[in-house]
Amino acid sequence: AQKITQTQPGMFVQEKEAVTLDCTYDTSDPSYGLFWYKQPSSGEMIFLIYQGSYDQQNATEGRYSLNFQKARKSANLVISASQLGDSAMYFCAMREGWGNTPLVFGKGTRLSVIA
Amino acid sequence: GAVVSQHPSRVICKSGTSVKIECRSLDFQATTMFWYRQFPKQSLMLMATSNEGSKATYEQGVEKDKFLINHASLTLSTLTVTSAHPEDSSFYICSARVVSGGARTGELFFGEGSRLTVL
Repeated sequence: AQKITQTQPGMFVQEKEAVTLDCTYDTSDPSYGLFWYKQPSSGEMIFLIYQGSYDQQNATEGRYSLNFQKARKSANLVISASQLGDSAMYFCAMREGWGNTPLVFGKGTRLSVIA
Repeated sequence: GAVVSQHPSRVICKSGTSVKIECRSLDFQATTMFWYRQFPKQSLMLMATSNEGSKATYEQGVEKDKFLINHASLTLSTLTVTSAHPEDSSFYICSARVVSGGARTGELFFGEGSRLTVL
């Protein structure tokens, strides 16, 4: 079974509008972390936001916020006031447990911001 | 923030040759580094977990004799693609976790990636 599911292969958003990128996850471990990364065409992985499974509040980082719904096992990324530079691939990832475990990535969503 | 550096960023080689990719943590120690492979328009797939001073742990389906991983120090892990073939052409990216960085302990950082093209 897929651990991370991103159901939107591609998304379009008008500049200055908000957009939500969907991510659902599957784990039986009570301790886990959820991450969102942005990957522009250059290939680098840019960390955007992190949510821990025990965090009570949704994470926010500037224009990025994570809509964490634990019971539904979803961790959607919300980007407010989209900019042309936001056009990129976006990956949701999960780390299970707190040891030296790797990140498992979803298939990604390609976001295109339209002027 | 912490920096993970990969070298080379791009490499083109002939089929049958071996290619070494280095992953360095520049300002922190990393007992564990992770190697991922990303084919065009696909996600990052974990290849192996590199542990300093011990053998790497490979994911199912990844040939350990083809993808040699050496983690000889707390700041350097290398991935060698042996006898490379065109199907090995991919984007290889490493990540490292801060293990003794004070407030940064536990954070995960990615290298810039290495794009391998095998002719």
